[in-house]
Amino acid sequence: DVKVTQSSRYLVKRTGEKVFLECVQDMDHENMFWYRQDPGLGLRLIYFSYDVKMKEKGDIPEGYSVSREKKERFSLILESASTNQTSMYLCASGRLQNLVSYNEQFFGPGTRLTVL
Amino acid sequence: GEDVEQSLFLSVREGDSSVINCTYTDSSSTYLYWYKQEPGAGLQLLTYIFSNMDMKQDQRLTVLLNKKDKHLSLRIADTQTGDSAIYFCAGRRRKAGTALIFGKGTTLSVSS
Repeated sequence: DVKVTQSSRYLVKRTGEKVFLECVQDMDHENMFWYRQDPGLGLRLIYFSYDVKMKEKGDIPEGYSVSREKKERFSLILESASTNQTSMYLCASGRLQNLVSYNEQFFGPGTRLTVL
Repeated sequence: GEDVEQSLFLSVREGDSSVINCTYTDSSSTYLYWYKQEPGAGLQLLTYIFSNMDMKQDQRLTVLLNKKDKHLSLRIADTQTGDSAIYFCAGRRRKAGTALIFGKGTTLSVSS
């Protein structure tokens, strides 16, 4: 059974704190993604990675960074948390396909982050 | 730029059919997807359609694709209370490798 796990389901942090969100997949997928989900805005791509140590910016990378030191693990870092980063964070993984191939993404359960 | 649009809410009675609509601007996506998000959970792939198909049926689910109008729909027959969830349509993003672009999601509420 394929699995994407996220380190916390709920997290409460204070403004200015450095926050680490961890994501681990057990499917040997090359691609990993971080999204944030907000009501009325849907899913927005923050960063993605197609290989170890490789990263690409998504739509809203400002205020975030990522780290991929091992294939199975992709971390999202909030360097200095702010209240507008209160959101649901979803991690996903998928195989490295060519651009016209079927491309399912597998999602973790999400981390609901509240920044006070 | 590329965009995927969905209506935000749909309310139906148990046993009725539900139709969730989606329009997209970029027709380069070879596959189009429907994901389902149940309360408190991540997204799960529900079904998908290859871009050279007009229709795909999978048990209670029917996906219709109108390429000319760039319109995708998901029909759920005999809707059950367990179908209450948020439904997202998605296609390939042009400039982000194999990342997907998602619509804002349609919240389906099923009353008994």
